[in-house]
Formats: sequence, C-alpha cells, structure tokens
Amino acid sequence: DVKVTQSSRYLVKRTGEKVFLECVQDMDHENMFWYRQDPGLGLRLIYFSYDVKMKEKGDIPEGYSVSREKKERFSLILESASTNQTSMYLCASTPAGAGAHELFFGSGTQLSVL
Amino acid sequence: AQSVTQPDIHITVSEGASLELRCNYSYGATPYLFWYVQSPGQGLQLLLKYFSGDTLVQGIKGFEAEFKRSQSSFNLRKPSVHWSDAAEYFCAVGPSNFGNEKLTFGTGTRLTIIP
Repeated sequence: DVKVTQSSRYLVKRTGEKVFLECVQDMDHENMFWYRQDPGLGLRLIYFSYDVKMKEKGDIPEGYSVSREKKERFSLILESASTNQTSMYLCASTPAGAGAHELFFGSGTQLSVL
Repeated sequence: AQSVTQPDIHITVSEGASLELRCNYSYGATPYLFWYVQSPGQGLQLLLKYFSGDTLVQGIKGFEAEFKRSQSSFNLRKPSVHWSDAAEYFCAVGPSNFGNEKLTFGTGTRLTIIP
C-alpha cells in the first residue's frame, strides 16, 4: 500500500522559532509537494520538487524553504515562524511523467504558532 | 488564469439520499479535472479524474462525475450516501500540458450525513 508519512500530526511552536516539517514517501516517486490548507481557501501550493536537490516555488513560498536531499524525503522549513503560518500542512507525492497525476497525500501536520 | 469554484460550503443530506456536489471551472481549453475526498484527520484521497474521452467517469466508493464542457462543470454525484461519506470534498483543475504544479483546488464542500 502506498504511503506518505508526515512526522508530526500536531505541532505547537512559538513565534520566531525555526520549524521543520518532515515528509517521507515509500513509493519511489520522483515528485513531491508541500501544500497549505486553510478553511475557505482550499489547498495552496508552497513548494514542489521533481528531483533530489531540486526545488521550485509554488504559489505561496514566502516565509518557507524546502530541502530534498534524498528521493524519499521532502522537508518544509519555516525559518522564523509567525502566527499567520498557523495552518494544516499537507505533503504529497506523484510519479514522474507528463501531465497531472494522482496526488498521494500524507495525513497532514496541524501547526499552531503562538 | 484557471480557477475552480465550489459554490456550496456545506451540504447536509440524509443517509440513503442522493448527492450532487457542484464544481465549476474556468479554463480556456479542456482541462484535467479531479475530485478528492478528505475524511476527518486524514489527507486527501483521489475519488476520480477526467482527462479525455467519456464525459461520465466512475470513481471509487460509488461516486461518479460528469464533465459538461458547455457548462464548465464537473459535478460529483452519488445515488445513495452512507454515513461514512461524511467528509470534505475538493474539486481540482489543471491544464493538460502541465504537471501537478499547475493544479488549482477549490475551497471545498463539507458534507454532513444525518441518520
């Protein structure tokens, strides 16, 4: 069974802290994505990666960075957390290939920044 | 730019009743269309997708959706809902010549099932 695992289900951090959200997939997928989910706004793409050490900005990259050192792992980094980054964060992966594919999602990390 | 609208924020239906969730999109050509479901505390799971061909597509869990180009719609239907269908449903649209980085999600419709 395909699996995308996010390391934390709930996370509480303080303003100004550096925050790491980890995502691991076991499907040997080339592509990985980080989304942010907010009520009334749907899902918005933060960053994506189509290969190891490769990263591309999505629609809302400000205040975030990412790291992809291994194919199976894609990390989202909040350099200095702020209260407006309180949100649900979803990681997803897809195989390589032209066009849009089915996204396989993790269960999400609910981050609260106090 | 493409966009997708889910006009209903919240829908309540009785168990056993039929269901239709609306999705309207704006895109210049034939898009890729998706419906995802998010159960409480879970990530999103693909219900069905439309790329081309037959405009009525069947998905998992007994769901189907119909692509209507003239109405720019891709509504999700189920003839008889079960209590386990209570979840949030997201429609998504993407251009056919790009990957998932160009996918646009709707704001979601929350479905409540009453016994």
